[in-house]
Amino acid sequence: GEDVEQSLFLSVREGDSSVINCTYTDSSSTYLYWYKQEPGAGLQLLTYIFSNMDMKQDQRLTVLLNKKDKHLSLRIADTQTGDSAIYFCAESNAGKSTFGDGTTLTVKP
Amino acid sequence: DTEVTQTPKHLVMGMTNKKSLKCEQHMGHRAMYWYKQKAKKPPELMFVYSYEKLSINESVPSRFSPECPNSSLLNLHLHALQPEDSALYLCASSQDLGGVTEAFFGQGTRLTVV
Repeated sequence: GEDVEQSLFLSVREGDSSVINCTYTDSSSTYLYWYKQEPGAGLQLLTYIFSNMDMKQDQRLTVLLNKKDKHLSLRIADTQTGDSAIYFCAESNAGKSTFGDGTTLTVKP
Repeated sequence: DTEVTQTPKHLVMGMTNKKSLKCEQHMGHRAMYWYKQKAKKPPELMFVYSYEKLSINESVPSRFSPECPNSSLLNLHLHALQPEDSALYLCASSQDLGGVTEAFFGQGTRLTVV
């Protein structure tokens, strides 16, 4: 079945850039998503990219997609302490989403 | 209003109890979802409703029974649960199943089965 993999932890200093990586297996995925989950909260959609795009930028967020290698990354510029959370990569096809295990981002002051 | 509201926020139930989780959205979304999330794990899809009809059932045990009474409401009826069913239950909605299925998630119901 579909599989989505992420590294589990990332620690950066405030003001640095963070890069969270994700690989997926389902080549028929139409959309790929990044969600943020803060402790005790639900999931917040941060951004998404259509599978025929290479890059998408949205303020401090940059998503890069390498469809050939099935590799997705999320770059957060000027990372702030409020960015500390778990970030989930997800692929979606016809309403069915598969999530990665999540990357816990810790931002140190 | 871009909220998905789930009630209750916390629920403790015994293995012989019957309880229901409720989810409500007023964004005109026609797709609604139930997910189960264990601690430190990603959400796992349980059910998808599209236009009030069950579209996807991810082989969920029958002790979980979903219901979509109208386009704004989604319930999850619980009966004879096991301790391993303790988890955060997330509801989500999206405009429909096609296109960019930007899903809005509720804050979840934290369920503990004792």
